[in-house]
Amino acid sequence: DVKVTQSSRYLVKRTGEKVFLECVQDMDHENMFWYRQDPGLGLRLIYFSYDVKMKEKGDIPEGYSVSREKKERFSLILESASTNQTSMYLCASSFRKRFPYQPQHFGDGTRLSIL
Amino acid sequence: KQEVTQIPAALSVPEGENLVLNCSFTDSAIYNLQWFRQDPGKGLTSLLLIQSSQREQTSGRLNASLDKSSGRSTLYIAASQPGDSATYLCAVFQGAQKLVFGQGTRLTINP
Repeated sequence: DVKVTQSSRYLVKRTGEKVFLECVQDMDHENMFWYRQDPGLGLRLIYFSYDVKMKEKGDIPEGYSVSREKKERFSLILESASTNQTSMYLCASSFRKRFPYQPQHFGDGTRLSIL
Repeated sequence: KQEVTQIPAALSVPEGENLVLNCSFTDSAIYNLQWFRQDPGKGLTSLLLIQSSQREQTSGRLNASLDKSSGRSTLYIAASQPGDSATYLCAVFQGAQKLVFGQGTRLTINP
């Protein structure tokens, strides 16, 4: 079974802090994604990566950056956290070379609160 | 720009009923469509993936259909159970292997 693991289920940080959210997958997936989910807005793509050291902006990249130094790990960075970044953050991964025959798999999410 | 709509936003039915959840999308140029389940406060669980060349996929009591030409997909749940209560999301794959999500249907199965 595919396992996508997010480092924290709940996280509370203060405004202005630099925040790191970590995601690890164990299926050798090329693609990795970061989404945020907000009531009334649904899931929105922040960034994605299709290979080590590669990244592409999603729909709402402002205020975020990412890092992919190893294939299995994809980090989301909030450079200077603000209260409007309080949200549920979801990481996902998928096979690039087997697209469109394989689904995207999600982690359990990190509920981040910025005070 | 692709838009995905799920109606209704919420649905409540008695246990044992068969039910259908609807998903529509504006751009028929999709690669495939994926249905997910989300329990409160949790991540997404993949239920079914339908490729653009397929008409339907089945997994246990779930059956998903896809009509690209009309921009519609349905998720059929047979003999519903209280454990089926969750939010169901559909999402379509477009270029760059990205998913575009609907807002979801919150399903409640009453014992």
